[in-house]
Order: sequence, then C-alpha cells, then structure tokens
Amino acid sequence: DAGITQSPRYKITETGRQVTLMCHQTWSHSYMFWYRQDLGHGLRLIYYSAAADITDKGEVPDGYVVSRSKTENFPLTLESATRSQTSVYFCASSGPSGGNEQFFGPGTRLTVL
Amino acid sequence: GQNIDQPTEMTATEGAIVQINCTYQTSGFNGLFWYQQHAGEAPTFLSYNVLDGLEEKGRFSSFLSRSKGYSYLLLKELQMKDSASYLCAVRDRGAAGNKLTFGGGTRVLVKP
Repeated sequence: DAGITQSPRYKITETGRQVTLMCHQTWSHSYMFWYRQDLGHGLRLIYYSAAADITDKGEVPDGYVVSRSKTENFPLTLESATRSQTSVYFCASSGPSGGNEQFFGPGTRLTVL
Repeated sequence: GQNIDQPTEMTATEGAIVQINCTYQTSGFNGLFWYQQHAGEAPTFLSYNVLDGLEEKGRFSSFLSRSKGYSYLLLKELQMKDSASYLCAVRDRGAAGNKLTFGGGTRVLVKP
C-alpha cells in the first residue's frame, strides 16, 4: 500500500539494549524526519534527511543514530536505550518544496524498562 | 531559534465556534502549518499559511499576521469528532529542508 509506515508499532526493551525503529515511505519524498512526542514537550525533531546519504541533527539527537541508504527508508537506532527515551516516535516525509506538508507515519510507542 | 506558544486546552460546545491562537517568534518566518492529532494517532495536515490573511477550508479556517507573529485556527460548527489536539508549526527561512518547529499543541474538548 502507498503511504508511510513504521515498525514495530509497539516495543518494550530494557535499558542498555540497542533498538531500531523502521520507517518506509512509498512516495519517493526527498525529505524524511524523526520526531519524538512526550507529554509537556510536543513534537521534537530528532534527525532529518534531505535525500539519500544526507542526514542532519535536529533538536534532540543525543543517543540516536540514523542512516538513509535508500530514499524510501529512514531507520532510527537507539544505540543504548535509556528510560528517558521512553516516548512515542513519529516518522514523517515531505516533498522538496517549502510549502509541502509533512505526512506522518502511525508512530511507534517505545517503552524502556 | 524559535518560540511557539499556544494554549494548552480549550473546551467548547458542539455546534459552536472555537479559535485557537498561536504566537511565534522566529528569526526568519517562512510558513506556518496547522495539524490535527487525535489521541493515539498521528498528526494530519490541516492548513498552510505563508502570506497574511485568511485561508478557508470548509469548517476550518486559518489566519496569519506575519507582522504580529500571530496565527489562529478557527473551527466552525464544532462536531464531537473535532475533539483532538491542534498543533501549530513554523518553518524558519534559515531552516534546511522543510524543518518545522512545533508548539506544544492545544487540546480541544467538544462537549454535547
């Protein structure tokens, strides 16, 4: 199906473990984004990518790693999960124009015990 | 950097009108977006303003005043399904790509 998907939708892990959240879009959008959403903070940008092999930090990048070897995929890795990374993670994509809205995936609810 | 303020919560009655204000401070404004987010779901795009004035889309309208750093989202003929959070987001001229900065969101509760 066309659109933007995330997997897994729910994940429980333990402190110190590595976790990878997947994001896939079928629109060939050039821009992709990772946000986290926490009560009291709204949506905060973790990393973004302007094209394959081009990534940059957002507002809260510490503890996260991204890659973008293919236009359609933008995985987010927590190298050593901490409890403070318990959150809902949203992936988004958009076209190249400034007026293009971002389309959001369904989100991944991550709990770090 | 940017600072975006919007009220935390608003309550309105079914059939009524609600106006959600958003004020922002940015070094180089380059567009403002409104998104709707139902509980447990992803944000969905509602409107985009880059020039001053009112943009109307059915029951929803969005207004922008760049000189005042101010926008509002107007929801008319409220329905129960409009109970959701409404997110204001600003794009900065200096932002690479389409980076947006989001406000904390306004939770709207529609009562019968």
